Amino acid sequence: EPEVTQTPSHQVTQMGQEVILRCVPISNHLYFYWYRQILGQKVEFLVSFYNNEISEKSEIFDDQFSVERPDGSNFTLKIRSTKLEDSAMYFCASSPSSYEQYFGPGTRLTVT
Amino acid sequence: RKEVEQDPGPFNVPEGATVAFNCTYSNSASQSFFWYRQDCRKEPKLLMSVYSSGNEDGRFTAQLNRASQYISLLIRDSKLSDSATYLCVGAGTGGFKTIFGAGTRLFVKA
Repeated sequence: EPEVTQTPSHQVTQMGQEVILRCVPISNHLYFYWYRQILGQKVEFLVSFYNNEISEKSEIFDDQFSVERPDGSNFTLKIRSTKLEDSAMYFCASSPSSYEQYFGPGTRLTVT
Repeated sequence: RKEVEQDPGPFNVPEGATVAFNCTYSNSASQSFFWYRQDCRKEPKLLMSVYSSGNEDGRFTAQLNRASQYISLLIRDSKLSDSATYLCVGAGTGGFKTIFGAGTRLFVKA
């Protein structure tokens, strides 16, 4: 069964550094999403991406965040200058139809 | 009012029990609805979509009441493996923005 994959599984970085989180969505899916989940809290929507552009973004997704689909398979989330409060699990999801979403296993980001 | 609101639980039930969860939503997340389950430190997994006519998948039944703005999930004949957090999810027009509830914890005990 096809699945969404994410790398790395765990990223440790120092405050102020840039990180890139990578996702490979399911191959025939057209809609892509990033979410974050701070430990013990709910899943929070960051951004959706369709047809090579951002469809919707939340208030969390400010200028330090960017997304890219650099080739036909990868979907990346860049955080330009990490803060302590960016420490969270980041989930990528993809969907064939913009409704039912399939999540990757997540990248745990720890900012020290 | 939160956009998608759930009773956090926990619900502690014996194996074989029937358990029901409710979720309420505000207008901004009012187009499409889903139930996901999330195991500890894992990704959310889609359980089922929720339709106004109600839908059933094995032991699971989901209902949507648009007039009262709530969604329900009924689990019959609970199994130990049903222990998880159940997430109520609403999506706005086009499905581009998805709002998750904080989840309801379920523990099924032998």
